Amino acid sequence: GENVEQHPSTLSVQEGDSAVIKCTYSDSASNYFPWYKQELGKRPQLIIDIRSNVGEKKDQRIAVTLNKTAKHFSLHITETQPEDSAVYFCAATHPNDYKLSFGAGTTVTVRA
Amino acid sequence: DAGVTQSPTHLIKTRGQQVTLRCSPKSGHDTVSWYQQALGQGPQFIFQYYEEEERQRGNFPDRFSGHQFPNYSSELNVNALLLGDSALYLCASSLSNRIGETQYFGPGTRLLVL
Repeated sequence: GENVEQHPSTLSVQEGDSAVIKCTYSDSASNYFPWYKQELGKRPQLIIDIRSNVGEKKDQRIAVTLNKTAKHFSLHITETQPEDSAVYFCAATHPNDYKLSFGAGTTVTVRA
Repeated sequence: DAGVTQSPTHLIKTRGQQVTLRCSPKSGHDTVSWYQQALGQGPQFIFQYYEEEERQRGNFPDRFSGHQFPNYSSELNVNALLLGDSALYLCASSLSNRIGETQYFGPGTRLLVL
């Protein structure tokens, strides 16, 4: 099955700086890559996703890039704000799979 | 537009007991997936229900079972609870049976097994 690795496990950034989280996946056939944000005690919320036919997608301060050759995808948060502090999870789906395979998560702390 | 709802929010059980968790999908969604999230880890897929049948199952023992009702709501049942079953149980709903459909999560049920 699909195996997703996520780095780093923790990330501390100064407010206003950028944050980058990287995930690698094992199955080159995987074609859907969502990112979820989970605040303490809350549900995971989809913040952005990308499909394998696209190399980059942006939504305001958030962007995701996909490198199919290297089998990795990254989340970029620019101009970080305190409310960006949360745990971020990447996930991948294989074309023959209905499940989401998640990374272990990255705890992002934005220092004021 | 109602989002995914789950009940109860918290539950405490003892080893060997049985538990039933409930999920109502987002309005218009017909597919329900269940995930287990242990503390400090990413969600792990338990199974997915579509058209009232288990369509795919993750690496979980038969103690974990489920059901989907005609109104698309779903239940997760866990028998013979173990201490290691303590976790946040998340329900996610999606539309249709297409692979790669966005899954929207509920708030979860936090289960503590003593």
